[in-house]
Amino acid sequence: GAVVSQHPSRVICKSGTSVKIECRSLDFQATTMFWYRQFPKQSLMLMATSNEGSKATYEQGVEKDKFLINHASLTLSTLTVTSAHPEDSSFYICSARDPRGVYNEQFFGPGTRLTVL
Amino acid sequence: SQQGEEDPQALSIQEGENATMNCSYKTSINNLQWYRQNSGRGLVHLILIRSNEREKHSGRLRVTLDTSKKSSSLLITASRAADTASYFCATGNDMRFGAGTRLTVKP
Repeated sequence: GAVVSQHPSRVICKSGTSVKIECRSLDFQATTMFWYRQFPKQSLMLMATSNEGSKATYEQGVEKDKFLINHASLTLSTLTVTSAHPEDSSFYICSARDPRGVYNEQFFGPGTRLTVL
Repeated sequence: SQQGEEDPQALSIQEGENATMNCSYKTSINNLQWYRQNSGRGLVHLILIRSNEREKHSGRLRVTLDTSKKSSSLLITASRAADTASYFCATGNDMRFGAGTRLTVKP
């Protein structure tokens, strides 16, 4: 299947700082990428849908000014957690839809573990 | 709101036994996908079943889909300790996930 990478895989930062997470589709161009967050032993919660060249669509309850999403190219979407606080500590996962597939198959990155001290 | 809802939330079996997990969803779908997630890791795509398919096999995995009941099941046969993971179903273009089933396979 297609490959999606995330960087970094793990990040620890101080409260009040901003953290950028990258999501890349390595062998296909993804017009749509998704960002999820997952708390321990819980499911993935969709945060936003990222469309190349346009503004991201955020889910209800997700602060767009806090979680900045940029999908500047067909292979890269970034999520920036601004002014991070301990409650933002979570596992962030991106996915990308492979347009070559007929049935909208999506591939997930390995996730980024964010710890805010 | 989440689209897929898995059942049971947790399942513990012995190695060699079969494991069955169910997923229910609310709206019409084009396809349904099952994923596995090992603790603290990303998701691994297991199988996709289209809305016009009723059953699909992949190795030890068997997935069924009943669109009239808006439900799907994932059967893992001859389970192994390495199958221990959380299993999620997802539907819709925006891929919403249910709570998942935490499967533990005891050696």
